[in-house]
Order: sequence, then structure tokens, then C-alpha cells
Amino acid sequence: AQTVTQSQPEMSVQEAETVTLSCTYDTSESNYYLFWYKQPPSRQMILVIRQEAYKQQNATENRFSVNFQKAAKSFSLKISDSQLGDTAMYFCAFMKLLTSGTYKYIFGTGTRLKVLA
Amino acid sequence: DAMVIQNPRYQVTQFGKPVTLSCSQTLNHNVMYWYQQKSSQAPKLLFHYYDKDFNNEADTPDNFQSRRPNTSFCFLDIRSPGLGDAAMYLCATSEVGSEKLFFGSGTQLSVL
Repeated sequence: AQTVTQSQPEMSVQEAETVTLSCTYDTSESNYYLFWYKQPPSRQMILVIRQEAYKQQNATENRFSVNFQKAAKSFSLKISDSQLGDTAMYFCAFMKLLTSGTYKYIFGTGTRLKVLA
Repeated sequence: DAMVIQNPRYQVTQFGKPVTLSCSQTLNHNVMYWYQQKSSQAPKLLFHYYDKDFNNEADTPDNFQSRRPNTSFCFLDIRSPGLGDAAMYLCATSEVGSEKLFFGSGTQLSVL
């Protein structure tokens, strides 16, 4: 069974600084997607960034980038120039294709990030 | 804006009293998911619909059921809520073939 582990329950960072959130996963699948989702205090989860496992190049979305190490099954999120609006719970997620043609997400337990003014 | 809407935002029910949570979407997505998220835990998939096809997770308790009368609406029914069912319930949608999930704001269920 697939598992996703986020070992940092809480983190804080000063505004404008850089922070890295860690995530490891376990799977025997060769083709899958990895995601980081953000859940602000308003509670609606939104996609931050995604990575296809077959792509070696690390994904980047503006201030957000990942360090994807497939052999090590590691998928960390780096937030550069942290902003107060980045304060949220961050979930790492693994996605696999089901036989029904739909996808199943498996989430980690989350890292609560607080950006300090 | 097209979105996923969950009502109510907060729901209080009594131990053993059936409760229904609702989710609607204006995205016209084929797939709708229900997740349970307990405090400090990962969101856990309960079941999902691909159009009318219902897919139950093996470890979802029988106490939890779902209905999808049309593309836009999906309901989560908890037949006899226990204290352990207090949680945030998240609805999400996606298009078939797309890996991106669109989430609602969730319903926080309290069981007294």
C-alpha cells in the first residue's frame, strides 16, 4: 500500500525567507503523480504544485519549487520569499490511477506553516 | 465563478441521529469524491463517484453512504453518527483524465 509521510507537523519562517517542507512516500508503482496542496484557514484546499514521476526536471511555480528524488522517494517543497498569505496547512499527496479510470489521492498528515511578520 | 460548494459549513448532530452533508459543483466534472479529515490527520478517501458509478473504499464503515442524483450534486449520509465520526468532511471533484482535484470548503461535523 502507498503511504505518504510528512515528518514536520509544524514549521515557521520569517517573511521573505525561504522554507522547505519535507515529504517522503512509499510505492511500488512506476508511474504516478505527486502534489502539494495548501489549506489556508479558510479551509478550501488548493493545488500548489504537481510533479509527474516520469519527469526528471523539478517542477516550479513562481515562488514554489520541488526537489523530487525518485530513487529516494522524496518530494520536498521549497517556498521562496515567504509571504504572510503562505500561512496554511500544506499537504503532500501521492496519486495513482485506479482501474475505474479515476485517480486516488493519498495524503500525508500535513505540515502547518506559519509565516511570521 | 465555477466552484465546489459544501453546505452547511458547520453541522451539529446528536449521537445516533442521521445526518446528511451536501456538495454541489458547477464545474460539470464527472468524478466526485468524499474525504474525511480528522484533526491532525490526513484526509482519508471514503468513496467516489465516476458519473453514476459508485466506488467505495474497502475500509469505509457501512455507516457511511452516498448518493449522487445528478452530475451537480452529491450527498454524504451518516446513518448513525458516533463520536468518532466528528471530523471535517471534504468534497472534491475532477474531470476524468485530469489529475487535478477541486475542493469545497468542507463541512465540520460535530457529534454531541
